[in-house]
Amino acid sequence: DTAVSQTPKYLVTQMGNDKSIKCEQNLGHDTMYWYKQDSKKFLKIMFSYNNKELIINETVPNRFSPKSPDKAHLNLHINSLELGDSAVYFCASSQGGGWTSDNSPLHFGNGTRLTVT
Amino acid sequence: SQKIEQNSEALNIQEGKTATLTCNYTNYSPAYLQWYRQDPGRGPVFLLLIRENEKEKRKERLKVTFDTTLKQSLFHITASQPADSATYLCALGAPAVDSNYQLIWGAGTKLIIKP
Repeated sequence: DTAVSQTPKYLVTQMGNDKSIKCEQNLGHDTMYWYKQDSKKFLKIMFSYNNKELIINETVPNRFSPKSPDKAHLNLHINSLELGDSAVYFCASSQGGGWTSDNSPLHFGNGTRLTVT
Repeated sequence: SQKIEQNSEALNIQEGKTATLTCNYTNYSPAYLQWYRQDPGRGPVFLLLIRENEKEKRKERLKVTFDTTLKQSLFHITASQPADSATYLCALGAPAVDSNYQLIWGAGTKLIIKP
């Protein structure tokens, strides 16, 4: 049973297109996240949702829009894709909130490798 | 400036020896630190958590230390095995400017255990 699953695993598209990445967790966690891992391997948080409510919204272009239809799902839609959006995008979940002193570990999906040509 | 650093160069260790990875940070007052393992093409997997008031945590062959004076955490794998080869990431939980908390990630150290 996959705890955090995201689709697709690979996404190759051209500049200017719009694409979506889906994420689902079956752990019953309250909080979900989107992270971007760049070529230097740094993980940078993009968004965090707690019970469908947006909690963290880092400095991310507004071409990126998260949507949480319920607390088990957090999708990421990207408009007008640019070359610099190429990266690996990770969905994650945790029982507690990463914005609090709660130290709940994160559970990650296996990533979506986005390549913009 | 605030930063968190892990050895960017790969660490090569002979099987059976102890592997020691470092995580150094500056200008943070962390409440806790987490270590994760990441295999190629996979997401990070949580290994261990250590809080600011703890000196050491152990889990099977893994040991983590946390020295808030030196601003450093060490991650040890004893009796290392080729299956331990992976990239290991540290993540610092520290207060952010807006009084919330933030999880700041190191870039990871690639560990290679040679048979």
